[in-house]
Amino acid sequence: KQEVTQIPAALSVPEGENLVLNCSFTDSAIYNLQWFRQDPGKGLTSLLLIQSSQREQTSGRLNASLDKSSGRSTLYIAASQPGDSATYLCAVRPLGGGSYIPTFGRGTSLIVHP
Amino acid sequence: AAGVIQSPRHLIKEKRETATLKCYPISRHDTVYWYQQGPGQDPQFLISFYEKMQSDKGSIPDRFSAQQFSDYHSELNMSSLELGDSALYFCASSLRGWEDYEQYFGPGTRLTVT
Repeated sequence: KQEVTQIPAALSVPEGENLVLNCSFTDSAIYNLQWFRQDPGKGLTSLLLIQSSQREQTSGRLNASLDKSSGRSTLYIAASQPGDSATYLCAVRPLGGGSYIPTFGRGTSLIVHP
Repeated sequence: AAGVIQSPRHLIKEKRETATLKCYPISRHDTVYWYQQGPGQDPQFLISFYEKMQSDKGSIPDRFSAQQFSDYHSELNMSSLELGDSALYFCASSLRGWEDYEQYFGPGTRLTVT
């Protein structure tokens, strides 16, 4: 059974810092990995989707990398801003087995203070 | 383009009552997923539908049922509500024909059972 772990569980940093959020998974047979942002009490907003054949994806100040063989993905946030404060979740979609349901991590709660 | 729409956004019910949550996927998306997220928890997959047929089943209680209609909208029916059913219920949609299967989430319905 796939298990997804996100470290750290919580992070508080001053504005302007560059951040790395980690996501690890136990089964490397994945189809893709998706990073989401969730504001308190709100829905999930997709940030980046990395296919299993890709190494990284970039969108603005966000860069996500994938090392499938080691079961790791990182989300890099450059020049963090208070508006980046949210919970960041990664979700791993399995490869094969007829199931398309992703497994979520518990998220990293990020606070960026001015 | 409009995103995933969920209604109602907030719902308060008493124990043993019933509730119906609705989800309208993004236009042309053929797959709908339902998730339950308790406070401080990661989203737990409940059930999904592809082309109006149930495609995957997760930790959905027997008291709950769901279906996808001909216009691809989906409804989650919850009966004999319990206090533990209080949570955020998310719907997501995707287009299975696209190889990335990227999921797009709705804003969620917050259900409070008193």
